[in-house]
Amino acid sequence: QQQVKQSPQSLIVQKGGISIINCAYENTAFDYFPWYQQFPGKGPALLIAIRPDVSEKKEGRFTISFNKSAKQFSLHIMDSQPGDSATYFCAASNWVPGSARQLTFGSGTQLTVLP
Amino acid sequence: DGGITQSPKYLFRKEGQNVTLSCEQNLNHDAMYWYRQDPGQGLRLIYYSQIVNDFQKGDIAEGYSVSREKKESFPLTVTSAQKNPTAFYLCASSSGYGYTFGSGTRLTVV
Repeated sequence: QQQVKQSPQSLIVQKGGISIINCAYENTAFDYFPWYQQFPGKGPALLIAIRPDVSEKKEGRFTISFNKSAKQFSLHIMDSQPGDSATYFCAASNWVPGSARQLTFGSGTQLTVLP
Repeated sequence: DGGITQSPKYLFRKEGQNVTLSCEQNLNHDAMYWYRQDPGQGLRLIYYSQIVNDFQKGDIAEGYSVSREKKESFPLTVTSAQKNPTAFYLCASSSGYGYTFGSGTRLTVV
């Protein structure tokens, strides 16, 4: 079974600090690695994504670091703000032959940024 | 605005009752998905559909059924065979790599 393992389960950081969430995968057929942000009672929203042919992608305060040989990737949130408090999911995607592209999600990290 | 609309936002089911969750998209996406979300378990795939009149089981399809009669619509029925249906249900659609999610339906057994 395809799996994406995410850690930590919860994370508390001070305002202005760096939040780091890690994920690891097993299936080398995965070719797209998005991160989703979810606020309570809402659906997940795409935050940032990376393909395995690059090692890092940055968008504003959010950076994905990708290590293909280790099959690991991580989300770094610089200058964390209370408004960043949410649940973050990593995911990995692959195309299932004769079917549709599928996303496999990590178990989620609940981030709390203290003011 | 383009997006995915899920209804109702809250739904209560009595024991032995079937209930249907609605999902409509106006993004012209071919693929649609249903996920179940439980605390601490992330999102688990129930069913997905690549085209009209075709759908595939996901990891936890038992006790659920779907239909795809129109490109825009992908309703999910939670049947009485689903023994633990209390959860947050999310519908998504995709035209390629990215998924767009609805705002979810919270189903509670009473």
